[in-house]
Amino acid sequence: EAGVTQFPSHSVIEKGQTVTLRCDPISGHDNLYWYRRVMGKEIKFLLHFVKESKQDESGMPNNRFLAERTGGTYSTLKVQPAELEDSGVYFCASSQDYTEAFFGQGTRLTVV
Amino acid sequence: DAKTTQPNSMESNEEEPVHLPCNHSTISGTDYIHWYRQLPSQGPEYVIHGLTSNVNNRMASLAIAEDRKSSTLILHRATLRDAAVYYCILGSGGSNYKLTFGKGTLLTVNP
Repeated sequence: EAGVTQFPSHSVIEKGQTVTLRCDPISGHDNLYWYRRVMGKEIKFLLHFVKESKQDESGMPNNRFLAERTGGTYSTLKVQPAELEDSGVYFCASSQDYTEAFFGQGTRLTVV
Repeated sequence: DAKTTQPNSMESNEEEPVHLPCNHSTISGTDYIHWYRQLPSQGPEYVIHGLTSNVNNRMASLAIAEDRKSSTLILHRATLRDAAVYYCILGSGGSNYKLTFGKGTLLTVNP
């Protein structure tokens, strides 16, 4: 069974540009989460979807970040416009229940 | 979120058991204890979780103190592949499964 897949694995963009990260969760997992680690910091929660609905978006840093989950399947996280401090590794995770989350390999975003 | 305290780093030899401690003195009655690990250049990986009783799975064992203010993750025979950062995380369960990662413990395994 395929795990959580994230695209792209790496992205380098210029400040002010737009970037869209994609996450394909494990099939059948209603719960989908986004996390990120910025340089030198700890991994931080961004938001949680249950199917297509946002359950908790308390970790979203500001309105330059927009997350969607179309039809309760894959999810996208758009950063527009990107700033230098957005550089980091963005992780997606999915879970069937609330005991074990499966994480993807992450997308390394570099804003220059 | 309830806070956990872990040593910054630990070292072990291959084939030997490893005991990774975690203090969580402010744990509430409904908090589960979760352990995740992150291998280099990978996303976090679930290891084990528990509430009150000790737990065993194919990867590790979790020993929980009777007062639940501390726990220990036990790797029975460390391998080089177990070198990673180990995170002890408290979660309230239910629909609020939001993992709050701390700095974790960097485990080094010597051949």
